[in-house]
Amino acid sequence: GAGVSQSPRYKVAKRGQDVALRCDPISGHVSLFWYQQALGQGPEFLTYFQNEAQLDKSGLPSDRFFAERPEGSVSTLKIQRTQQEDSAVYLCASSSWTDQNSPLHFGNGTRLTVT
Amino acid sequence: ELKVEQNPLFLSMQEGKNYTIYCNYSTTSDRLYWYRQDPGKSLESLFVLLSNGAVKQEGRLMASLDTKARLSTLHITAAVHDLSATYFCAVDRVTQGGSEKLVFGKGTKLTVNP
Repeated sequence: GAGVSQSPRYKVAKRGQDVALRCDPISGHVSLFWYQQALGQGPEFLTYFQNEAQLDKSGLPSDRFFAERPEGSVSTLKIQRTQQEDSAVYLCASSSWTDQNSPLHFGNGTRLTVT
Repeated sequence: ELKVEQNPLFLSMQEGKNYTIYCNYSTTSDRLYWYRQDPGKSLESLFVLLSNGAVKQEGRLMASLDTKARLSTLHITAAVHDLSATYFCAVDRVTQGGSEKLVFGKGTKLTVNP
């Protein structure tokens, strides 16, 4: 497809369950980002990949959060032992590293609700 | 630490009026972005501003960048209802190690009333 694709679109998890969120970036985009957006707030940075290398994971809120991009394309954000405070929309974005004028292209997000 | 502040956070305006949203950021940045977000939707890119004095316009929206003042503005001309949305400013920093981080403001929720 032409855009960033995320799945699932919605996820309901019981507290303590593990979840995995998938992001399929725009083909050829080197940079991939994960953001967390709480209701009524701006997106908060979680982590950044350049190809398969995770260059910045400073925004991951705890060691329950783990992200990977093993082949430099699809990425997965995993949250272990989910807590209610993890409820948010998780946005994935990709961009072309070589084009300075290129914005980050965001996917539609995964809305996670932890009950 | 890079911080981004937008004001106002809430803006209610009448159709046909003009208004400006302000975005201040705390440290030198490489790029500044404006995004639009409709309720329940993802972020739509509006503008990418790279250099001091950059000005870009699209329809009723115009964005400018003053890197010396660390200030960007998003000016709305003759607002129409369809512009109702939340507008985010975001600033990009690329480190020596090649890592990139886009830091967002809290957003300005714009409501345009008939």
